Amino acid sequence: DIQMTQSPSSLSASVGDRVTITCRTSQSISDYLNWYQQKPGKAPRLLIYSASSLQSGVPSRFSGSGSGTDFTLTISSLQPEDFATYYCHQSYSTPQTFGPGTKVDFK
Amino acid sequence: EVQLVQSGAEVKNSGESLRISCKTSGYTFTNYWINWVRQVPGKGLEWMGIIYPGDSDTRYSPSFQGQVTISADKSINTAYLQWSRLKASDTAMYYCAKGGGLLQLSDWGQGTLVTVSS
Repeated sequence: DIQMTQSPSSLSASVGDRVTITCRTSQSISDYLNWYQQKPGKAPRLLIYSASSLQSGVPSRFSGSGSGTDFTLTISSLQPEDFATYYCHQSYSTPQTFGPGTKVDFK
Repeated sequence: EVQLVQSGAEVKNSGESLRISCKTSGYTFTNYWINWVRQVPGKGLEWMGIIYPGDSDTRYSPSFQGQVTISADKSINTAYLQWSRLKASDTAMYYCAKGGGLLQLSDWGQGTLVTVSS
């Protein structure tokens, strides 16, 4: 199985901050890396697919980069509605796997 | 509009069987994979397995192989997740999600909470 790590596991930030979350995989997955946002009591929502493609309807302040084993999700200017938990996910091979999550809360 | 509507919350006893459903609409059901994802309360997301309704090709995570069965009924555009003998450790929220062209989980059901008492 491909192992996923995320850092940090949590962070505190303020509205307007630039936020960066990192995801690393135990082997190369090309660009089969996706990012999701989950708010309490809600289903996850796809933000970024194929490492850097913005899902339709997702604000442009979200961006993704990386390939191989190292990936980044960036929120350019954190908004109140962005306080949530973020997960990376590899769809390169079965079993697909998720990162452990990064919780973004209010400083 | 793509929609995945899951069946309602379930409360079961340990050892009982259960099947939960994910009814889809707004796209061609047979052309896209359907995933199942588990989330234990307060924990992260776990990928359980996937089915391609077009030919019923099904794959499981080793962690769930033999513990659950994933199936689909093309005639009613619905996918299923079932257990033959529930355990207390199966208590979790279960999500179905449509796979996109690169297997990203593009659309999600609202989740089905399964509670198993011992």
